[in-house]
Amino acid sequence: DQQVKQNSPSLSVQEGRISILNCDYTNSMFDYFLWYKKYPAEGPTFLISISSIKDKNEDGRFTVFLNKSAKHLSLHIVPSQPGDSAVYFCAANGSGGGADGLTFGKGTHLIIQP
Amino acid sequence: KAGVTQTPRYLIKTRGQQVTLSCSPISGHRSVSWYQQTPGQGLQFLFEYFSETQRNKGNFPGRFSGRQFSNSRSEMNVSTLELGDSALYLCASSPDSYSNQPQHFGDGTRLSIL
Repeated sequence: DQQVKQNSPSLSVQEGRISILNCDYTNSMFDYFLWYKKYPAEGPTFLISISSIKDKNEDGRFTVFLNKSAKHLSLHIVPSQPGDSAVYFCAANGSGGGADGLTFGKGTHLIIQP
Repeated sequence: KAGVTQTPRYLIKTRGQQVTLSCSPISGHRSVSWYQQTPGQGLQFLFEYFSETQRNKGNFPGRFSGRQFSNSRSEMNVSTLELGDSALYLCASSPDSYSNQPQHFGDGTRLSIL
């Protein structure tokens, strides 16, 4: 049973516009959420995270929103740039810290069109 | 600051053999986690080590094992290799095991079983 779901396998956005990637989770014990970006032949690169005590976290062009009641989070990228084309993974962690291991979604392939 | 280093990058083995993969964490990071990535199952947590102790293990058979050394470097071992073990094996490190902090990934070892 998938505890973290990314329902859009791919997303195409025009350069300069906003990219919105979505993620749903089912485990109410998750309290820390992360987004990673992955290029082919490289490991995932950490982008941004959010704790369950917050509903928004911003870092430059990247903003993550958390809706705990809906068990939903989203990543907004504004403005989208060609280098943002990659696979984006949503991940979640419980209160046990790193020892819990991250639970990942299957990823969304973001394509930025020029 | 050097990132997470995994060796080797590529490995080809045959069924029944065993393999050892190596991971050097970011300097100062004491928690090391291992993940398996396959097209069908996505990224799945294998185990996590902190202070040379395995703190948690994912849902994998006993053929998958690991260890951590006093300098925080880690190895994982897979015995009696099966075709289904073909995957990208990723190592990630974080400063400690108890608090929620981002895990930083290496570029992985691509293991192919013939």
